[in-house]
Amino acid sequence: DTGVSQNPRHKITKRGQNVTFRCDPISEHNRLYWYRQTLGQGPEFLTYFQNEAQLEKSRLLSDRFSAERPKGSFSTLEIQRTEQGDSAMYLCASSLGEGTLNTEAFFGQGTRLTVV
Amino acid sequence: QKEVEQNSGPLSVPEGAIASLNCTYSDRGSQSFFWYRQYSGKSPELIMFIYSNGDKEDGRFTAQLNKASQYVSLLIRDSQPSDSATYLCAVNPPGNQFYFGTGTSLTVIP
Repeated sequence: DTGVSQNPRHKITKRGQNVTFRCDPISEHNRLYWYRQTLGQGPEFLTYFQNEAQLEKSRLLSDRFSAERPKGSFSTLEIQRTEQGDSAMYLCASSLGEGTLNTEAFFGQGTRLTVV
Repeated sequence: QKEVEQNSGPLSVPEGAIASLNCTYSDRGSQSFFWYRQYSGKSPELIMFIYSNGDKEDGRFTAQLNKASQYVSLLIRDSQPSDSATYLCAVNPPGNQFYFGTGTSLTVIP
């Protein structure tokens, strides 16, 4: 399977715990995006990488959220001290981009987080 | 003002009819436009993209772009019950992230 892969698919955690999600993009894609989606809403941007560089981070993103893409391949998204409001689907997408040009983005299956 | 606006619906059409989905965007510099389909509980799936003004057809789907009016639409011909889903419009301004609308829920009635 050469699509975008996310793990785990589901995560249930207690409030206050830390969680980490992983995303493996399409291998030739240099751009990687993290989005969060709640019921009835469109995907909300969290952060974006080009290769290993984090180019943009949402102003709405609290400092409990951090993301890395250390070798320009897979990425991790960590949420520290989880809150019930963090419950959502976390989506990763990848695309191929050069300068201002960008191909379409393909999404992984998502990680559904439930904070209890 | 939101970057991408869609009518949330729900939109209901009978089987075999044409479904018309609309989207407006705020960044005049945007050059890339996408339609995604999302089934309940699943991740978005790309169905079409369009970069130039005019129409682009792919099977039963036609995307229409009018940059002067900052308007993108998706037409689904011969709608099928399996087309029932939420349709997300996405816009990609140059060198930027993808902005998504809230989606339009479509139901195709057999």
